[in-house]
Amino acid sequence: KQEVTQIPAALSVPEGENLVLNCSFTDSAIYNLQWFRQDPGKGLTSLLLIQSSQREQTSGRLNASLDKSSGRSTLYIAASQPGDSATYLCAVRPDTGNQFYFGTGTSLTVIP
Amino acid sequence: DGGITQSPKYLFRKEGQNVTLSCEQNLNHDAMYWYRQDPGQGLRLIYYSQIVNDFQKGDIAEGYSVSREKKESFPLTVTSAQKNPTAFYLCASSWGGGTAQHFGDGTRLSIL
Repeated sequence: KQEVTQIPAALSVPEGENLVLNCSFTDSAIYNLQWFRQDPGKGLTSLLLIQSSQREQTSGRLNASLDKSSGRSTLYIAASQPGDSATYLCAVRPDTGNQFYFGTGTSLTVIP
Repeated sequence: DGGITQSPKYLFRKEGQNVTLSCEQNLNHDAMYWYRQDPGQGLRLIYYSQIVNDFQKGDIAEGYSVSREKKESFPLTVTSAQKNPTAFYLCASSWGGGTAQHFGDGTRLSIL
């Protein structure tokens, strides 16, 4: 069974800093990987989806990379803002089956 | 506006009672999912449905039931057999085939 880990569990940075969030998974046979943002008491907002054949995806200040062979993905946030404060989760869909497996998330606080 | 609507936002259950959580989507998505989120844990899949009148159990289906009579609706019933139902429940949908998942705002269920 796929295991997804996100370290650190919490991160605090000053406004304007560039930062990297990490996601690792145990089985490299994946179909795609999706990054989400979750605000307190809310549902998940999709940020980026990377297919297994892709190395990275970009949206605005966000860049997600994928290294399937090493079982890792990173989410790079440029020029962080207080509005970026939220929990960031990654989810992996294996090659077979229809399930997504989620990490426990990294709680990000951007200090003004 | 297209999206996923979950209701109610808050729900309280008495001992021995079944309760039903509503999930409706107007995105014309084929696939729908129910997840449970507990503090410090990643999202865990309860049930998913790829097409109308068909659904599959996820990792934690015991004590839950679903139906998929219409494409846009995927209600979840938390039965009295579920001994620890207190959690945040999230509904999601996608085009299927490993495409990006989109989430509702969740229902928080508590025990009276």
